Amino acid sequence: AQSVSQHNHHVILSEAASLELGCNYSYGGTVNLFWYVQYPGQHLQLLLKYFSGDPLVKGIKGFEAEFIKSKFSFNLRKPSVQWSDTAEYFCAVRTRGSTLGRLYFGRGTQLTVWP
Amino acid sequence: DTEVTQTPKHLVMGMTNKKSLKCEQHMGHRAMYWYKQKAKKPPELMFVYSYEKLSINESVPSRFSPECPNSSLLNLHLHALQPEDSALYLCASSQGRLADGTDTQYFGPGTRLTVL
Repeated sequence: AQSVSQHNHHVILSEAASLELGCNYSYGGTVNLFWYVQYPGQHLQLLLKYFSGDPLVKGIKGFEAEFIKSKFSFNLRKPSVQWSDTAEYFCAVRTRGSTLGRLYFGRGTQLTVWP
Repeated sequence: DTEVTQTPKHLVMGMTNKKSLKCEQHMGHRAMYWYKQKAKKPPELMFVYSYEKLSINESVPSRFSPECPNSSLLNLHLHALQPEDSALYLCASSQGRLADGTDTQYFGPGTRLTVL
């Protein structure tokens, strides 16, 4: 089975600080990559996704992520976080050829932003 | 529109009850999913329907029974659950376009299930 690692379990930042959340996966083939966000009491929302092409992808709410194939990574970044970014962030990977679009999720990173 | 709806939002049931969770999407998606999510954990895949056929059952106990009446609806029938089954149950749907690799899952708000 594929594995997705999010090494930071809990990140605490002050408003306006820069954010980078790590995501690494273990699969040598072609992958599709996703970041989902879950605000307190809300459902999973798609932040951004990478399928092919430009490895730097931009998502909603000022987030971006960079796919570095050689490092098997897809780190999420935001230059200046806001209090409203407090949420759980999940990285997910789908391997090409996986059964019916199965997603492999990381354990999640809780981001807390202090005002 | 990327909306997946789920009802009810909250459900409390006893271990002898029978209840059902419902999920609906009108995006023309042909794949639908049930996930279970415990607090502060990632979603765990339970079932996948593709073109109304059950395609994946992740060794889920038989007290959970999925049903896909048509391409827009997905149900999860619950019977004789255990307290450890208390969790957030998430439905998702995707286009089912795996050949071109652009398939994207969109999640519903979930049903918060408590088993007493």
